[in-house]
Amino acid sequence: AQSVTQLGSHVSVSEGALVLLRCNYSSSVPPYLFWYVQYPNQGLQLLLKYTTGATLVKGINGFEAEFKKSETSFHLTKPSAHMSDAAEYFCAVSNFGNEKLTFGTGTRLTIIP
Amino acid sequence: DTEVTQTPKHLVMGMTNKKSLKCEQHMGHRAMYWYKQKAKKPPELMFVYSYEKLSINESVPSRFSPECPNSSLLNLHLHALQPEDSALYLCASSPADRVGNTIYFGEGSWLTVV
Repeated sequence: AQSVTQLGSHVSVSEGALVLLRCNYSSSVPPYLFWYVQYPNQGLQLLLKYTTGATLVKGINGFEAEFKKSETSFHLTKPSAHMSDAAEYFCAVSNFGNEKLTFGTGTRLTIIP
Repeated sequence: DTEVTQTPKHLVMGMTNKKSLKCEQHMGHRAMYWYKQKAKKPPELMFVYSYEKLSINESVPSRFSPECPNSSLLNLHLHALQPEDSALYLCASSPADRVGNTIYFGEGSWLTVV
C-alpha cells in the first residue's frame, strides 16, 4: 500500500520569502513521487517528479524538491515566493508497474504581499 | 503538445437526465483516466483505461459508465446522478510505456446535479 501525508493544509508566506511545502510518503517498494499544482478553477499541472537518479529534482516555475529515502520525504521548496505561486499543491506517489496516483490532501499556499 | 481537452467545461443536469463528459488527447498516450474532485479535496481515481481496455474501476457506482471508443477518446456517461455527485471531473492521460510516467490532466468538467 502507498500513501502520502502533507503536513499543513494551509501555508502562508510573504512575497520573496522561502516556500517550503512538506510531503512524507509511505510505500513498500521504491516510490515514484510527484508534485502537482492546481490554480483556482483549473486542472492539475505537473511541477516536478522523482523516479530514479538524482535526488534533487528541479521543476517549473523555480520549484525544486529533494527525495530523502531515510526520512521518507519529498518536500517542495522555492527560494523566493511570487504572488503567482498562490495555489493548491498536491504531493502524489505511484509504485512500480502501477500508474495509479495516490494524492495527499493538498496544501493551499497563500502569498502575502 | 501536452494537452488533454475536456468538454463541456460546465454541465448542469437533473437527477433523471442522461449526459456525457468527453475527453480527448492527441499525444499518443495509451492510458486514460477519470478522476473526481470535490471542493477542497484531492482528486480521487474513478477509472483507468489501458490500451482501450478498462483496467481499474475503483468501485464506482453504475450510474457512472466509462467508455473508450479509441486510443484518443474517453467518455463518461452519466445517468440518474445524485446531488452529491456534483464535483469537478478530471480526465487525464499518460504514455503507459514505462513506470513512473507523468499523468497529464485536463482542465476538468464542472458538474452540478440538481
